[in-house]
Amino acid sequence: GAVVSQHPSWVICKSGTSVKIECRSLDFQATTMFWYRQFPKQSLMLMATSNEGSKATYEQGVEKDKFLINHASLTLSTLTVTSAHPEDSSFYICSASDRTASFGEKLFFGSGTQLSVL
Amino acid sequence: GESVGLHLPTLSVQEGDNSIINCAYSNSASDYFIWYKQESGKGPQFIIDIRSNMDKRQGQRVTVLLNKTVKHLSLQIAATQPGDSAVYFCAEIPPRRALIFGKGTTLSVSS
Repeated sequence: GAVVSQHPSWVICKSGTSVKIECRSLDFQATTMFWYRQFPKQSLMLMATSNEGSKATYEQGVEKDKFLINHASLTLSTLTVTSAHPEDSSFYICSASDRTASFGEKLFFGSGTQLSVL
Repeated sequence: GESVGLHLPTLSVQEGDNSIINCAYSNSASDYFIWYKQESGKGPQFIIDIRSNMDKRQGQRVTVLLNKTVKHLSLQIAATQPGDSAVYFCAEIPPRRALIFGKGTTLSVSS
């Protein structure tokens, strides 16, 4: 099956620094990738939809300048948490949509990145 | 805002029992539904999906039922095993929208 690789799997950083998370579709081209955030014992909340070659679409309440998303190729999207603070500590998960499948079918998820901001 | 809710946050069963996890979705226009399994520290894993033009779909040991009249989804797991212990999320896709996850049900299987 299709594979989505997310890196790093965990990161610890100091408050005020920036952290970049990568999401790669390894064996398919993904015109659309999604970024989710998950707090402990809670559901996944959609942060933004990343479209290759265009600006990301952010969900209401998500700061565009804080969570920078770049989708420069059909196999790579990045999420950069800028000037991270302890409240940004969370589990971040990406997913990718196989462009050869109908929209929504078989979205593939990365393994997640646990961000801890000290 | 829109959300997909689950009726029970936790479900405990004995190994070998059948498990039923329920979900109520909110958007009657949603045309695609998916069940995911998430183990601790990992991303969601696809289990089974169903389109709105169906009311039942079976996989290996799993069955999804869709009742559009009451906007209800259920996931049935036959002969539940300890390896099935995880958090289960239902998700819906409304038209022209991204996936919306429910709140999750933690399934605990004891031997």
